[in-house]
Parts: sequence; C-alpha cells; structure tokens
Amino acid sequence: DQQVKQNSPSLSVQEGRISILNCDYTNSMFDYFLWYKKYPAEGPTFLISISSIKDKNEDGRFTVFLNKSAKHLSLHIVPSQPGDSAVYFCAAISYNNNDMRFGAGTRLTVKP
Amino acid sequence: NAGVMQNPRHLVRRRGQEARLRCSPMKGHSHVYWYRQLPEEGLKFMVYLQKENIIDESGMPKERFSAEFPKEGPSILRIQQVVRGDSAAYFCASSRDRGNTEAFFGQGTRLTVV
Repeated sequence: DQQVKQNSPSLSVQEGRISILNCDYTNSMFDYFLWYKKYPAEGPTFLISISSIKDKNEDGRFTVFLNKSAKHLSLHIVPSQPGDSAVYFCAAISYNNNDMRFGAGTRLTVKP
Repeated sequence: NAGVMQNPRHLVRRRGQEARLRCSPMKGHSHVYWYRQLPEEGLKFMVYLQKENIIDESGMPKERFSAEFPKEGPSILRIQQVVRGDSAAYFCASSRDRGNTEAFFGQGTRLTVV
C-alpha cells in the first residue's frame, strides 16, 4: 500500500524559478518527514526534514512545508539551479513502530 | 509486480552475534543498493552490487560488514560480531540500470543490538 505518494513523476522548471515538489501521505501516525535527493548512479542523499510539531523548516534554498490537516508536505527550491536536477524522494517515519516509507520520487529537471 | 522485499523487518541480536539481512530486488532489476539509517540521520549509502559483483563498497565499514548478491537468490548484508552502534535501519533499493534513477526501496530492516 502506498502510504506516501508523490503524484508528479516529473517536473521541469527554468533556472532561477521556484521548484515545488509535492508529497501526500495517508498514515496519521507519521510524525517525521524527510526529502532525499538522488543523482543518477548514486544513492539518495538526505536533503531536509521536518518534524510534525513544525509547519516549516528552511535550509538555504530549500524549504519544506507541512500541512498536517491535509496530510501534505512540499519542498520549495528557490532559486532553482541546473545542479538541482535529480530525483527527489519524500519519506515519512512513524517513530511509534520505526517504519519508514518513501514516495516513488519526482524527477526534477532545471533548464539553464 | 512485487516491490523490493526485505526481511526480516525487525531483527534483534546480542552483541557478538551475526546479523543477516536479505533483500530481494524487484523483478527485472539487477542492481541493488544498501543504505543504513542511524537515528536522527538520513540514509547513508553502504554498498552497490550487481549480480555476483560488488561495484561500489565505499560506504561499507572496513571490518565486520560484507555484502553479496549471488546469481540466484536475494542480496545479503552480513554483519559479524555486532555491536550496539550497528543498531539502525538498513534499507535496500533496486534499479533496472546503473544510470536509472528510478531506484525503488524496500521497507527496511530495523536491527537492534542488545
């Protein structure tokens, strides 16, 4: 069962613009959320996370927003750079049972 | 189309014992990656294997850890003489091609060393 969903398999944006990647989840037990970035032929690397007690976390050009009532989170990249082109995975953890679920990923392409 | 299957989901070992973690990739996938997640950290790459070959083990601890992906059967991550610091969640992912960014992860094995 797909408890974490990234409904957009791909996204293309122009360099300098904002990239918004979305993620929805169904399990209300999730209380910690992460975004991973993956380049070709490399493993995913941790990007940014947010606890369920917050609704926003910012790190440089990356900001993650969490809307618990809607069970939705999003990753904003501003400004987007060509080097940001990668696949981005959303993940959710339920510390209650240490379960971690990933979304299927969104392939971001930033055009120069 | 079954996803990446990891077993067991939870594994408890006493210090000094051996832990064996299994990963069956998705059908048609011949590339397997292992990752470890320590508490409060993201996934850390450990090893990348193709059938019968270790391609990149730069993330593997030099001692006690080994991985294999035989011609037949699942990929195995083996930890000998486990210590408390080995307690973590271990994730496996598989992909069709090395350059294929659509790598799919298993649900992980949570190893607890007591």
